[in-house]
Amino acid sequence: KQEVTQIPAALSVPEGENLVLNCSFTDSAIYNLQWFRQDPGKGLTSLLLIQSSQREQTSGRLNASLDKSSGRSTLYIAASQPGDSATYLCAAPTGGGNKLTFGTGTQLKVEL
Amino acid sequence: DAGITQSPRHKVTETGTPVTLRCHQTENHRYMYWYRQDPGHGLRLIHYSYGVKDTDKGEVSDGYSVSRSKTEDFLLTLESATSSQTSVYFCAIFDRDYGYTFGSGTRLTVV
Repeated sequence: KQEVTQIPAALSVPEGENLVLNCSFTDSAIYNLQWFRQDPGKGLTSLLLIQSSQREQTSGRLNASLDKSSGRSTLYIAASQPGDSATYLCAAPTGGGNKLTFGTGTQLKVEL
Repeated sequence: DAGITQSPRHKVTETGTPVTLRCHQTENHRYMYWYRQDPGHGLRLIHYSYGVKDTDKGEVSDGYSVSRSKTEDFLLTLESATSSQTSVYFCAIFDRDYGYTFGSGTRLTVV
């Protein structure tokens, strides 16, 4: 059974700082890994999808890496802004049926 | 945008009543999912579907049933609502190139 862990659970940083969010998973036989953002009271917004054949994906100030052998993914946020404040979730497939197992998230607060 | 909508957005219902939540997609995706999100538990899979009339259970399926009679609609039914089913319910679709896309959620309160 896939288990996904995210560290830290919460993070507070000053505006402009570069930061790294960590995600680890137990079953390395994954074909992709996805990062999401969730604002309070809202749904999940997909940020980046990394296929197993890729080592990283970039979108604007976001960069996600995937290391299947070590069971780790990182989300790098450059030059953080207050608008980046949200909960960030990573998710990896489990079993058949393209089902996802989610981590419990990292709650990020970027302060002015 | 994958064109996925959930209805209703909010619902309050009484214990013991049946409740049906609807998920509608416009892009003919084969895979659809229902998750619930609760503080301290994160997102957990209730049921999923891999085609019309093809469904399977997730990790928290007790007390829930689903139906998919058309590709575009995936219904989640709480057969007899209980207070433990108070939660936020999310529907999602899967695309191999884009991964998962989630609906905006249904906030259900069982009183």
